[in-house]
Amino acid sequence: DAGVIQSPRHEVTEMGQEVTLRCKPISGHNSLFWYRQTMMRGLELLIYFNNNVPIDDSGMPEDRFSAKMPNASFSTLKIQPSEPRDSAVYFCASTYSQGPGEKLFFGSGTQLSVL
Amino acid sequence: GDSVTQMEGPVTLSEEAFLTINCTYTATGYPSLFWYVQYPGEGLQLLLKATKADDKGSNKGFEATYRKETTSFHLEKGSVQVSDSAVYFCALSGQFNDYKLSFGAGTTVTVRA
Repeated sequence: DAGVIQSPRHEVTEMGQEVTLRCKPISGHNSLFWYRQTMMRGLELLIYFNNNVPIDDSGMPEDRFSAKMPNASFSTLKIQPSEPRDSAVYFCASTYSQGPGEKLFFGSGTQLSVL
Repeated sequence: GDSVTQMEGPVTLSEEAFLTINCTYTATGYPSLFWYVQYPGEGLQLLLKATKADDKGSNKGFEATYRKETTSFHLEKGSVQVSDSAVYFCALSGQFNDYKLSFGAGTTVTVRA
């Protein structure tokens, strides 16, 4: 299995531009998560999908952030317009949720720099 | 809400030294507890887990025991190697909100040859 695949690995953009991060979860997994990692805040859960439906988006910072999961094999996280404070590593993770204690499989992350 | 507090780093050790990283938690009910490891430039990987009190998780020579009486899940390894250099995260998922992992701040461990 190829694991969770994220693209791009690195993204450098200018403030005000739209940024789209992509994720392909592991085949057969029914749950998908987007996390953000910064030195100041550590790892934060942004949004959680189960069976392609957003269940918890309470971690999405503001309206500039949106996430979609049109099918079981693809998800996007969009930032429009981007700001320098959005600079972080964004991780996608997936699992097959059967109850408490399930192992998350993380992608390698997208390093976003907003200038 | 649920939260995890782990020992601040960075931690620098010599090869074959004993490693302990402390982790305590706050949660209602009976959470599941995890240690994840992040190697440079990579995503997090599950190192070990425990889903009920007194369970011991173990993997790659690392161990951690779920202690409900002290609300702790300390990570230990008896003899570290250079390849153990990484960032280690303690995490929990709540009994009533089990999809949501709450992570500690992470502890950077560097092992010198």
